[in-house]
Amino acid sequence: DTGVSQDPRHKITKRGQNVTFRCDPISEHNRLYWYRQTLGQGPEFLTYFQNEAQLEKSRLLSDRFSAERPKGSFSTLEIQRTEQGDSAMYLCASSRVGEGVGFFGPGTRLTVL
Amino acid sequence: AQTVTQSQPEMSVQEAETVTLSCTYDTSESNYYLFWYKQPPSRQMILVIRQEAYKQQNATENRFSVNFQKAAKSFSLKISDSQLGDTAMYFCAFMKHPGNAGGTSYGKLTFGQGTILTVHP
Repeated sequence: DTGVSQDPRHKITKRGQNVTFRCDPISEHNRLYWYRQTLGQGPEFLTYFQNEAQLEKSRLLSDRFSAERPKGSFSTLEIQRTEQGDSAMYLCASSRVGEGVGFFGPGTRLTVL
Repeated sequence: AQTVTQSQPEMSVQEAETVTLSCTYDTSESNYYLFWYKQPPSRQMILVIRQEAYKQQNATENRFSVNFQKAAKSFSLKISDSQLGDTAMYFCAFMKHPGNAGGTSYGKLTFGQGTILTVHP
């Protein structure tokens, strides 16, 4: 296990389409986080899971966004009816309970045309 | 709500020299964590150093050290003997201490806007 992985690394879609991203955390990490980063800005918190439970969601996460972590392993982030404002880098991170967020994935860059 | 401010959009330094990146934050919490992250161009974010607010001693990690001034709410990063591989965007980040967070919000980082550091040969 070499770290947090994300798939795909790049996604180009047309406005109105649905997209889904996947994150595979470090295997022994029970916390998983999603962040969004726009160009030239720091990441913004979206949501996080402890095992399979989604414990917190940011107000940034509109009704078009949904995240799941079935069985407490990998997680998916789905965006429905994409808008141009959704264009960003979507970062996943993982950690053990009691630790800070030390391990980020490479991100999925979404471009909405 | 917490805010984190990095007032230096860009910095540059010559190889082997020392550079300091600034960060200020605002919070009503008494206990928390502060972090510096490094994001190289087109590469993933890496944790550089972490400071626990209740510890008076400044954290150090090899060539990286912090100057934590709790009363002033300041948390600067000093990079000594700068190397070309230090070229990256650096982010300062705040996180509530789990004891304050009531079990939630732990792991929720609030980031600054970032400072682009360029190390010149």
